Amino acid sequence: DQQVKQNSPSLSVQEGRISILNCDYTNSMFDYFLWYKKYPAEGPTFLISISSIKDKNEDGRFTVFLNKSAKHLSLHIVPSQPGDSAVYFCAARGGGSQGNLIFGKGTKLSVKP
Amino acid sequence: NAGVMQNPRHLVRRRGQEARLRCSPMKGHSHVYWYRQLPEEGLKFMVYLQKENIIDESGMPKERFSAEFPKEGPSILRIQQVVRGDSAAYFCASSPGPLGDEQYFGPGTRLTVT
Repeated sequence: DQQVKQNSPSLSVQEGRISILNCDYTNSMFDYFLWYKKYPAEGPTFLISISSIKDKNEDGRFTVFLNKSAKHLSLHIVPSQPGDSAVYFCAARGGGSQGNLIFGKGTKLSVKP
Repeated sequence: NAGVMQNPRHLVRRRGQEARLRCSPMKGHSHVYWYRQLPEEGLKFMVYLQKENIIDESGMPKERFSAEFPKEGPSILRIQQVVRGDSAAYFCASSPGPLGDEQYFGPGTRLTVT
């Protein structure tokens, strides 16, 4: 029973174009969402987050959009760079948890030069 | 300002042995979380600890697994009588306050059970 779903296991994008990574969730009590980036053999690195009271948060090339009615969030990376190639995890907090994060299975992004 | 440290990075154990995984949180962080990642899966929450307290262990298997975060020293995740299914990457994260805002992750310990 997955509460956070990333339905695309992989995504390939040309350098300079926009990368859009999607995430759906089922628990309407989630109040905070985060995106992490992970390289092989390393721990996840925090990228950007958004509170459920907002619908957009921007940080440099990274923007996260939240659509609460659709229980959907997305991460936009523009312009994409080869160094962005990694696995991206969507995570959610709340819904009765005491601070632990619920993670999706990840989307592997490949940015081709 | 050191990040979250985990050791060992790689651990090989035979079935039936014990595995001890250590985690030192970031300086100033008193909240520690352990997660497990199986191949091709996302990270799954195991346990949330504060100094000397277990806050939430709802993700811990009922048997063989235990965790502690003593007043002094690192947090320890202990797996007794390991089985092949315990082979995974175990990640520790820390945060400065409760509610898990912006958890910072360590590099992980890759446990292999032979």
